[in-house]
Amino acid sequence: SQQGEEDPQALSIQEGENATMNCSYKTSINNLQWYRQNSGRGLVHLILIRSNEREKHSGRLRVTLDTSKKSSSLLITASRAADTASYFCATDNAQIQGAQKLVFGQGTRLTINP
Amino acid sequence: DTGVSQNPRHKITKRGQNVTFRCDPISEHNRLYWYRQTLGQGPEFLTYFQNEAQLEKSRLLSDRFSAERPKGSFSTLEIQRTEQGDSAMYLCASSLAQGREQYFGPGTRLTVT
Repeated sequence: SQQGEEDPQALSIQEGENATMNCSYKTSINNLQWYRQNSGRGLVHLILIRSNEREKHSGRLRVTLDTSKKSSSLLITASRAADTASYFCATDNAQIQGAQKLVFGQGTRLTINP
Repeated sequence: DTGVSQNPRHKITKRGQNVTFRCDPISEHNRLYWYRQTLGQGPEFLTYFQNEAQLEKSRLLSDRFSAERPKGSFSTLEIQRTEQGDSAMYLCASSLAQGREQYFGPGTRLTVT
């Protein structure tokens, strides 16, 4: 079963606008990772944020984490056509010692219109 | 390019045939993972290796599936007696240590006809 849920399932915005995607999860975590996937391709790692961190930046990306609400958000600023992709959050499970697997949500399909 | 590589990229097979996929992780990564992704869904965990030891297997990994990592480097995933429901993207990932980023390969897309 999947741990997380991304919201919205699909998002369409104009180039230059900001895009915000949300992720909720169920168990306590050690870290949360965001990935991008272009159609039919592999996943590209974007950011890892640890459970003791609240915010992290990488270029035009800003990730927040609220462990009390078991939620995270990914903000892409000044969007570009090349940002069109599906975005996934993935979590481990801190309740299971040594658990290595990532549990993914269903993703948000982001479309940037030129 | 020193990223994760997977071969083949695409495989079309007839129901009942066996298929084998290969994954080469990033060279210094001792952890290797296999995931499966169907259309419109996020990846689902299949199995995990630390060096050559297979430490975790998902209930999704039926007895028709077997994975190996004989020398702690590359890994193979074999599916015996393929079924149409096995059609999916099979993704491999590797990481340097527990709690570190998992980096994914381009995937092998399997189509069972």
